Amino acid sequence: SQTIHQWPATLVQPVGSPLSLECTVEGTSNPNLYWYRQAAGRGLQLLFYSVGIGQISSEVPQNLSASRPQDRQFILSSKKLLLSDSGFYLCAWTGIGASSGNTIYFGEGSWLTVV
Amino acid sequence: KNQVEQSPQSLIILEGKNCTLQCNYTVSPFSNLRWYKQDTGRGPVSLTIMTFSENTKSNGRYTATLDADTKQSSLHITASQLSDSASYICVVSADNSNSGYALNFGKGTSLLVTP
Repeated sequence: SQTIHQWPATLVQPVGSPLSLECTVEGTSNPNLYWYRQAAGRGLQLLFYSVGIGQISSEVPQNLSASRPQDRQFILSSKKLLLSDSGFYLCAWTGIGASSGNTIYFGEGSWLTVV
Repeated sequence: KNQVEQSPQSLIILEGKNCTLQCNYTVSPFSNLRWYKQDTGRGPVSLTIMTFSENTKSNGRYTATLDADTKQSSLHITASQLSDSASYICVVSADNSNSGYALNFGKGTSLLVTP
């Protein structure tokens, strides 16, 4: 069966420090991968999505970047964190095409607090 | 503009009671509608998914309905339990390619079930 792992679960980082959140998917190949941010009282905001290795699309200009070095690995990074980067980050994946079941699977999330 | 509106924003009910959450959308074209349950600090978990031709779908004590003509959906929870306390998110897809790019998220309804 397919599983998605995301880490770390919680992170407290000082302003100006770098960030790396990692996400891996098991049990499937060539998934579409996504990074979302969820702020209190707001819906999920799509940050990045990737349809293949090295292919990254950015939805919102920001202080973050994403990379996909391997088929089932998706990394969210920042060179210098801002206070406004604090939030709950979710990695997710979907299969390819309507036959995959129309389901998006989410990781457990990562709480980032920038101090 | 594609939008997904959920109501109420929050809800408190007594254990054992029933409740209904609402989702109205303006997403076009319409592919499918999903309800997710998100426990605090965790990733969302899929409850139901409905396509255009489906009017109702059940998953245990959860029953979702869809009226594609009025663009409304509801999630009915029967005989609520304390573990039902969570945020419930309505997600409408405008694309049958299962791409997360075409997902439109509601802000969720926060449900609290009290003893």
